[in-house]
Amino acid sequence: GAVVSQHPSWVICKSGTSVKIECRSLDFQATTMFWYRQFPKQSLMLMATSNEGSKATYEQGVEKDKFLINHASLTLSTLTVTSAHPEDSSFYICSAGTPLETQYFGPGTRLLVL
Amino acid sequence: TQLLEQSPQFLSIQEGENLTVYCNSSSVFSSLQWYRQEPGEGPVLLVTVVTGGEVKKLKRLTFQFGDARKDSSLHITAAQPGDTGLYLCAGARGSSNTGKLIFGQGTTLQVKP
Repeated sequence: GAVVSQHPSWVICKSGTSVKIECRSLDFQATTMFWYRQFPKQSLMLMATSNEGSKATYEQGVEKDKFLINHASLTLSTLTVTSAHPEDSSFYICSAGTPLETQYFGPGTRLLVL
Repeated sequence: TQLLEQSPQFLSIQEGENLTVYCNSSSVFSSLQWYRQEPGEGPVLLVTVVTGGEVKKLKRLTFQFGDARKDSSLHITAAQPGDTGLYLCAGARGSSNTGKLIFGQGTTLQVKP
């Protein structure tokens, strides 16, 4: 299957700082990438859809000014959590979409805000 | 409103037993994916089904897509401890949904040796 990487795999930061997470499709080009958030033992919650060269589409209830998404190329999307607070601590996962509707997921980024 | 109902949400069985996980919806999907996720990792694609009535087998795993493309099931035969994980079904709604997937609640499976 296709390979999607995420960096960093985990990050600890102080409250009020910003954190950037990168998502890369390594062996295919993805015009659409997706960002999810996941709480322990729960399913994935879609945060936003990232389209190459255009603004991201955010799901209802997700603050676009807090979770900045940039999809600068067909292989890279970034999620920046701005002014992070402890309640933003979570497991963030990206995926890259394919024309066949299948999504390939990255390994996830564990964020802990102190 | 949960558009894709997945059941059961938790399942603990002994090694060697069989099990079935169900995903049901009142909506039609253009395709449906099954993923398996281990703690601290991203979901890994197991299968994609696209045709109503389709059955796919992956070793001891059998996936079925309902005739009306509204439901799907995952059957595991002779479960092994290595099958332990979170199983997720996800449906796609075609081009009108910009590629987004609708996820079920997930099934946490524990297979005891």
